[in-house]
Amino acid sequence: AQSVSQHNHHVILSEAASLELGCNYSYGGTVNLFWYVQYPGQHLQLLLKYFSGDPLVKGIKGFEAEFIKSKFSFNLRKPSVQWSDTAEYFCAVYGNNRLAFGKGNQVVVIP
Amino acid sequence: DSGVTQTPKHLITATGQRVTLRCSPRSGDLSVYWYQQSLDQGLQFLIQYYNGEERAKGNILERFSAQQFPDLHSELNLSSLELGDSALYFCASSASGGGSGTEAFFGQGTRLTVV
Repeated sequence: AQSVSQHNHHVILSEAASLELGCNYSYGGTVNLFWYVQYPGQHLQLLLKYFSGDPLVKGIKGFEAEFIKSKFSFNLRKPSVQWSDTAEYFCAVYGNNRLAFGKGNQVVVIP
Repeated sequence: DSGVTQTPKHLITATGQRVTLRCSPRSGDLSVYWYQQSLDQGLQFLIQYYNGEERAKGNILERFSAQQFPDLHSELNLSSLELGDSALYFCASSASGGGSGTEAFFGQGTRLTVV
C-alpha cells in the first residue's frame, strides 16, 4: 500500500517569506502525485499534480513542486507567501484506486 | 466550486444512532470516493465505487457501509454511532476508476458531530 510522509506539521512564517514543504512517498507503481490545499472551513482544492514529464510542475497561486524520483520526494514551494496562503497543505499519492494523504502541514502566514 | 455536492453540511446526532450522508459526483464522473478526516487520524480513505460497483476498500468500519446508485450518486451509511465517529466526511469523484492520470475532485464535506 502507498504512503506519504509530511514533516514540520506546523509552519509559521511572515508574509513575503519563502515556503517549502517536504513530501516523501512510498509506492511501487506508476506515480501520480498531488498537492491539495484546505483553507479554514473549506474543502480540499487541488494546487498541482504530477503524472509524467517535466518533474517541475507549476500550480495555481504561484505554487510549484518538484518530483525527484531518486529521493521519492515531491516538495512544494512558493517563493513569497501571502497572508491568504494560511491553510493546511496535503501531499497525496494515487494508487490502488485511492488517494493516500500525508498528515498535512498547517501553515500560518503572519501579516 | 468543485462540482461535487454533499449533503447535509452539518449533522449532529446521538450515540447509537444511524445517519446517511449523500454525495452527488461531478457530471460525467463515474467514480466516488469517501474519506474521513479527523484531528488524530488525518485523511483516511474509506471506500471507492465505480459505476455502481465497489472498487476499493480502505479503513472502513463494519458499522459503516456505502453504495452507489444507478444515477451515480452515493450514500455513506454510519450506524451505531460512537463519539469517536465525529469527523469531517468528504466525498470525491473522478472520471475514471483508477490508474495513471486519475484526478479526484472533493466536495465540501459533511461535518458529523456525535454527542
